[in-house]
Amino acid sequence: GAGVSQTPSNKVTEKGKYVELRCDPISGHTALYWYRQSLGQGPEFLIYFQGTGAADDSGLPNDRFFAVRPEGSVSTLKIQRTERGDSAVYLCASSSGFGYGYTFGSGTRLTVV
Amino acid sequence: AQKITQTQPGMFVQEKEAVTLDCTYDTSDPSYGLFWYKQPSSGEMIFLIYQGSYDQQNATEGRYSLNFQKARKSANLVISASQLGDSAMYFCAIGVGGSARQLTFGSGTQLTVLP
Repeated sequence: GAGVSQTPSNKVTEKGKYVELRCDPISGHTALYWYRQSLGQGPEFLIYFQGTGAADDSGLPNDRFFAVRPEGSVSTLKIQRTERGDSAVYLCASSSGFGYGYTFGSGTRLTVV
Repeated sequence: AQKITQTQPGMFVQEKEAVTLDCTYDTSDPSYGLFWYKQPSSGEMIFLIYQGSYDQQNATEGRYSLNFQKARKSANLVISASQLGDSAMYFCAIGVGGSARQLTFGSGTQLTVLP
């Protein structure tokens, strides 16, 4: 596609529920990233994929968070047993190379009530 | 670990004037890249400009230029001829190493362009 697409744009869920957030990167971009942005702060790194494998998942806050990219294109961020502190905007980005900057999607605003 | 410091929570500039947004960084890695992003109220992060640690010249992209002072570990963004559409949050970020891909972002500066 022309840009990075993230769905849904908004998600409201109850505490304790499971959620999946989807990211469709720019066609041909092998690198895909997930970031989380809390209100009034800069994005924080969660995980980076190169192809199908997670090259760096050091930013995942705990084992309730998991992400996959089975065919090297679309990625899904999965959050189990959601907590109110998980409420944030989850940003996905893809890249064709380090110095070219990342193209971010519009994000998914997750609200846990 | 890397760190980005943006000390200006908010800045105002008159339309058509130039403005400088401050960014200082901290890293022990000799190979790194510095990025600036713009985030309008719509929420999307828009890549503006990149500077590599080994680049001799300051990066420029249209009305954006990066004032890179390596010894002072600063990478300030200069926007010339400000436009009303420049009003947004601006983030500075750093990525280090040849294979590492994660970016560390600062807390941002909210720029408001006044008519």
